Amino acid sequence: AQSVTQPDIHITVSEGASLELRCNYSYGATPYLFWYVQSPGQGLQLLLKYFSGDTLVQGIKGFEAEFKRSQSSFNLRKPSVHWSDAAEYFCAVGRGRNEKLTFGTGTRLTIIP
Amino acid sequence: GAVVSQHPSRVICKSGTSVKIECRSLDFQATTMFWYRQFPKQSLMLMATSNEGSKATYEQGVEKDKFLINHASLTLSTLTVTSAHPEDSSFYICSAIPDRGRHYGYTFGSGTRLTVV
Repeated sequence: AQSVTQPDIHITVSEGASLELRCNYSYGATPYLFWYVQSPGQGLQLLLKYFSGDTLVQGIKGFEAEFKRSQSSFNLRKPSVHWSDAAEYFCAVGRGRNEKLTFGTGTRLTIIP
Repeated sequence: GAVVSQHPSRVICKSGTSVKIECRSLDFQATTMFWYRQFPKQSLMLMATSNEGSKATYEQGVEKDKFLINHASLTLSTLTVTSAHPEDSSFYICSAIPDRGRHYGYTFGSGTRLTVV
């Protein structure tokens, strides 16, 4: 069965600083990988996804993620965070189209001035 | 892009009553939809996979008689919490993916905050 680990429960970053959120997955084949963001009391918004091809994936809001098969990782990065990036971030893995997703426990991002 | 509408956004009900939550794909057809439950400051736990025209597939530990799922059309799935109790209070979120076309990723509804008093 697939699983996802987000080692960091809470991260605090200064506005304008760079960000990296870690995600490690466990799955036998090439997974479908996703990063979602959730604001309080809201649904989830897709930031980016990886299915195949180029291992560096660009997403919305200036985010990118890199798939590293050798490390079973799919870390999310942003070169310069904005106060509006404060939210909960979830990494998720799926086996294929129309297959259920397994979510990590999430990382809460706090931005300080 | 793909849009999923979830209704209601908030509901308060009395213990022992039933509540129905709707999940609609507005601009695409979805044979498969998913229902998740999220406790405060926790991750999403998959409750069931909803399949149009057939019975839902429930995850282990989820009571299918408590959480009734009906996927009557390619654009609508409903979750009914029957005989609700305070421990059923939670945030429920649905998601769907288009049957055809590019795989844009799973689209989520905005969630339903259920409070049972």
